[in-house]
Amino acid sequence: GQQLNQSPQSMFIQEGEDVSMNCTSSSIFNTWLWYKQDPGEGPVLLIALYKAGELTSNGRLTAQFGITRKDSFLNISASIPSDVGIYFCAGQQTSGSRLTFGEGTQLTVNP
Amino acid sequence: DAEITQSPRHKITETGRQVTLACHQTWNHNNMFWYRQDLGHGLRLIHYSYGVQDTNKGEVSDGYSVSRSNTEDLPLTLESAASSQTSVYFCASSRDRGDSIEKLFFGSGTQLSVL
Repeated sequence: GQQLNQSPQSMFIQEGEDVSMNCTSSSIFNTWLWYKQDPGEGPVLLIALYKAGELTSNGRLTAQFGITRKDSFLNISASIPSDVGIYFCAGQQTSGSRLTFGEGTQLTVNP
Repeated sequence: DAEITQSPRHKITETGRQVTLACHQTWNHNNMFWYRQDLGHGLRLIHYSYGVQDTNKGEVSDGYSVSRSNTEDLPLTLESAASSQTSVYFCASSRDRGDSIEKLFFGSGTQLSVL
């Protein structure tokens, strides 16, 4: 199946720092989604992106749909301890097709 | 509040045993999915269903089966558990197949250990 390469695999940052992570593919996707998984819980949708070049924010989180439609980026500003978790990107190639998930970025925030 | 519930949260079983993981949602969603989460692989789709009596294989369906006898439930059965099936299993649901965006709502997961 299609593969999404997510990087970095893990990040260790200090509270207050900004965070950037990305997701890339060799294939074109029509939709990009970003999920967050808290420890011991299931993933929760953070942001959905529908168009190439689109920039969408959700509080301190900002995600972008890459112009080539083969990548997406997630930024977290002024990180706080509750940002800890695994962040997954997911792509949908066509309407009705199944989501493909990246491997996740494990974020640790040190107070 | 509507929700999606998985049970049990933790399960230990022996190789060769049949195991069933339960998933129940109260959103009246047509679409339900089972994923497994393993280090280095992210979330991989096992089986999914678009409605009652409908089931479909995902990318890692070997050794697993599902049945959909009503809208609310999609139990996942491991016919003969193997150590390679030790994983965290997530059930998810979404509203309509017609949605252009598949916004999934996930349960809290079942940690399965096969010894």
